[in-house]
Amino acid sequence: KAGVTQTPRYLIKTRGQQVTLSCSPISGHRSVSWYQQTPGQGLQFLFEYFSETQRNKGNFPGRFSGRQFSNSRSEMNVSTLELGDSALYLCASSTGQEQYFGPGTRLTVT
Amino acid sequence: DQQVKQNSPSLSVQEGRISILNCDYTNSMFDYFLWYKKYPAEGPTFLISISSIKDKNEDGRFTVFLNKSAKHLSLHIVPSQPGDSAVYFCGSQGGSEKLVFGKGTKLTVNP
Repeated sequence: KAGVTQTPRYLIKTRGQQVTLSCSPISGHRSVSWYQQTPGQGLQFLFEYFSETQRNKGNFPGRFSGRQFSNSRSEMNVSTLELGDSALYLCASSTGQEQYFGPGTRLTVT
Repeated sequence: DQQVKQNSPSLSVQEGRISILNCDYTNSMFDYFLWYKKYPAEGPTFLISISSIKDKNEDGRFTVFLNKSAKHLSLHIVPSQPGDSAVYFCGSQGGSEKLVFGKGTKLTVNP
């Protein structure tokens, strides 16, 4: 079974721009969660989608948004990028409590 | 407010010795706990878990201990191997609550 895939793997954007990251979960997994990883803050939860509905949301500003499609693929969007948004963005899919992570998208904001 | 804390950002041990990684949580609703391991340039991978009805779970060289009264869990790796060098994240979850992770502990196992 193919694992969780994320595209792109690396991205460089400038302040004020917006970005869209994509995540394809493991086949059959309906839950997709997004995390931001930074050296100082570790893994921070952004949001979780299940069957195209946002089920949980972390403490991030409204500039961070996401959606899930009927095939369970998910996208995350960050608008008006700030330097502090530079991080590794991880997507994880699950059927229960154990989550399977993708390799992440490394976003650099200059 | 950090609900899951890994107070040691890094840990260094000799190959063959025991590695002990610690994690504290504050939310008494948490009833499921997981450890993930992360290598550079890769996503975290699931290592071992424990539910609150147990106080110990063992899988090969990895054992997780849960002390509910102290809201503390630890991961023991015996014997430690150089390939275990990675960042270890502790995660906690309860009910319909989201999975919350600590900031991670970077383990270095020296040959």
